[in-house]
Amino acid sequence: GAGVSQTPSNKVTEKGKYVELRCDPISGHTALYWYRQSLGQGPEFLIYFQGTGAADDSGLPNDRFFAVRPEGSVSTLKIQRTERGDSAVYLCASSRGQGGNEQFFGPGTRLTVL
Amino acid sequence: AQKITQTQPGMFVQEKEAVTLDCTYDTSDPSYGLFWYKQPSSGEMIFLIYQGSYDQQNATEGRYSLNFQKARKSANLVISASQLGDSAMYFCAMREYGTGNQFYFGTGTSLTVIP
Repeated sequence: GAGVSQTPSNKVTEKGKYVELRCDPISGHTALYWYRQSLGQGPEFLIYFQGTGAADDSGLPNDRFFAVRPEGSVSTLKIQRTERGDSAVYLCASSRGQGGNEQFFGPGTRLTVL
Repeated sequence: AQKITQTQPGMFVQEKEAVTLDCTYDTSDPSYGLFWYKQPSSGEMIFLIYQGSYDQQNATEGRYSLNFQKARKSANLVISASQLGDSAMYFCAMREYGTGNQFYFGTGTSLTVIP
């Protein structure tokens, strides 16, 4: 079956612009996570969805970052007024449920803010 | 304090030998899970092994085993019979079940397997 997919694979934007990053989790996975990975670092937790609701958004760095999952499947991470420091790989992962331990990661979206 | 500490930025191992990648963690939550992931140069994160804080036995998955020393807050990954395809970044991670659903990742260890 299909794994987690993320689009676009690469996104180059200018400082101040708005971007949307999309994640398609594995079908049937109720839990979805967003992470940000900067060069040479481990993934940094951003937000976790259980179903349609954001169960934990404590990792979002500021109010420029927002994520939705309106139908409990596809999720979109939205970044307003992008800054150069937002440049990173944004990873999405899904798992079967709240108790599921194994997360399946997507290939990531590499965001570059010029 | 760092939740996950990986003190080895880079490690080398001869093919067919075993290697241990170190990980220590910091939590006051009695219920937590420890994870290891592999990230090849392609960038995708691959789950390797899981250890729950209440598990009595050390986790094993094929050539991977987790040396869980709870009192020392250590969760080292042991890879036996290293293969060239094991060359990658390895990340240790923790999830605290009592305080939320965040996963905390370490900074990773780059493993190079030498033929």
